Amino acid sequence: EADIYQTPRYLVIGTGKKITLECSQTMGHDKMYWYQQDPGMELHLIHYSYGVNSTEKGDLSSESTVSRIRTEHFPLTLESARPSHTSQYLCASSEFTGATGELFFGEGSRLTVL
Amino acid sequence: AQSVSQHNHHVILSEAASLELGCNYSYGGTVNLFWYVQYPGQHLQLLLKYFSGDPLVKGIKGFEAEFIKSKFSFNLRKPSVQWSDTAEYFCAVGGTGGSYIPTFGRGTSLIVHP
Repeated sequence: EADIYQTPRYLVIGTGKKITLECSQTMGHDKMYWYQQDPGMELHLIHYSYGVNSTEKGDLSSESTVSRIRTEHFPLTLESARPSHTSQYLCASSEFTGATGELFFGEGSRLTVL
Repeated sequence: AQSVSQHNHHVILSEAASLELGCNYSYGGTVNLFWYVQYPGQHLQLLLKYFSGDPLVKGIKGFEAEFIKSKFSFNLRKPSVQWSDTAEYFCAVGGTGGSYIPTFGRGTSLIVHP
């Protein structure tokens, strides 16, 4: 059973608000990811990290930012939310094995911006 | 850049029918291949994976997938589906070199009628 947790599960906010989506894992994994998932579409990688103090942007351009101060914690922040940010955000982690390994996913954070 | 194509976006079957979901990928090097499943209301989880060796891999719940290198394919199969197989299925590919970031397909929504 994967131990990766996302909060909040659901969030409805107004335009212009700052929001932080939390993601924590207890597996000690070095690699962590944020994906954006819309119905009927691929999972789009928006951020990833290879370890503490490592963050990279993914394939999909995003106005969000991330930080990795601790191994277990990988929060995503939107400074000023807009309706176009409405989506489901999935956090995942994997062991750094030098190759693409299995991803462990959280349950997701569904964001609605009004 | 790597890409993943899932041909069937929506599949509806009756219980006991056979299932085959297509997955083709584009990648210039050696790959690791995955199928993930997302049951309604649950997080994405690994169904099966191929790293090397026997190209026919078996996963949980009676699923299997065959890696055909010459066709760049990794199709998912199950001889007899059950109502509980109703879920979203995602194919993913990742390299064994480079950045090791997995790329996901659009997903296939499978509905199994009892």
